[in-house]
Amino acid sequence: QLVESGGGLVKPGGSLRLSCAASGFTFTNAWMSWVRQAPGKGLEWVGRIKSKNDGGATDYAAPVKGRFTISRDDSKNTLYLQMNSLKIEDTALYYCSTLNAIPIPDYWGQGTLVTVSS
Amino acid sequence: DVVMTQSPLSLPVTLGQPASISCRSSQSLVYSDGNIYLNWFHQRPGQSPRRLIYKVSNRDSGVPDRFSGSGSGTDFTLRISRVEAEDVGVYYCMQGTHWPPYAFGQGTKLEIK
Repeated sequence: QLVESGGGLVKPGGSLRLSCAASGFTFTNAWMSWVRQAPGKGLEWVGRIKSKNDGGATDYAAPVKGRFTISRDDSKNTLYLQMNSLKIEDTALYYCSTLNAIPIPDYWGQGTLVTVSS
Repeated sequence: DVVMTQSPLSLPVTLGQPASISCRSSQSLVYSDGNIYLNWFHQRPGQSPRRLIYKVSNRDSGVPDRFSGSGSGTDFTLRISRVEAEDVGVYYCMQGTHWPPYAFGQGTKLEIK
């Protein structure tokens, strides 16, 4: 199970930190992604963090690179997304997921809504 | 970056009839290990996405066998043999071969006629 939190209303240029609490699977071994969905739009991959065993590296989509940072606390089974310099176009429902293309389960949270507006 | 293009974007289907969704990638999705990392997801209204298919044609646990995936190279298809009411929603393909970034298609909205 994945449960996101931390969403809300923020002004352009502001910051927000999202959290994703994981349970029911071995979080330590999981590569975790954030995926967002703007209102009425499709899915957009935001970024991913590898497991620490696999080096813990992060990758980001071009629109958020340099503004967003993904981190993880394996002791708390929690994934984070630090969002800085927020823009109106960052308004979306943000999902955390074990997003993968291999034969292991693919989990998604219910999402947390981020609204960037003045 | 790889671009995923789905068609059609809207798919009205009669209950019990088959449905087919196409997904094309801007470059071959064959990875260096010989596998093709192409997923299909289903998102019901108001719900989170759920993966149906991974590696082109492998159904996830609990996915009905009326769903099937096929394709190779750059052309892929999701088929539903007999559409049921619970199949409404938006279907997305996603490539996991050339990352980052993972790329989703625009989505295909399936509705019942």
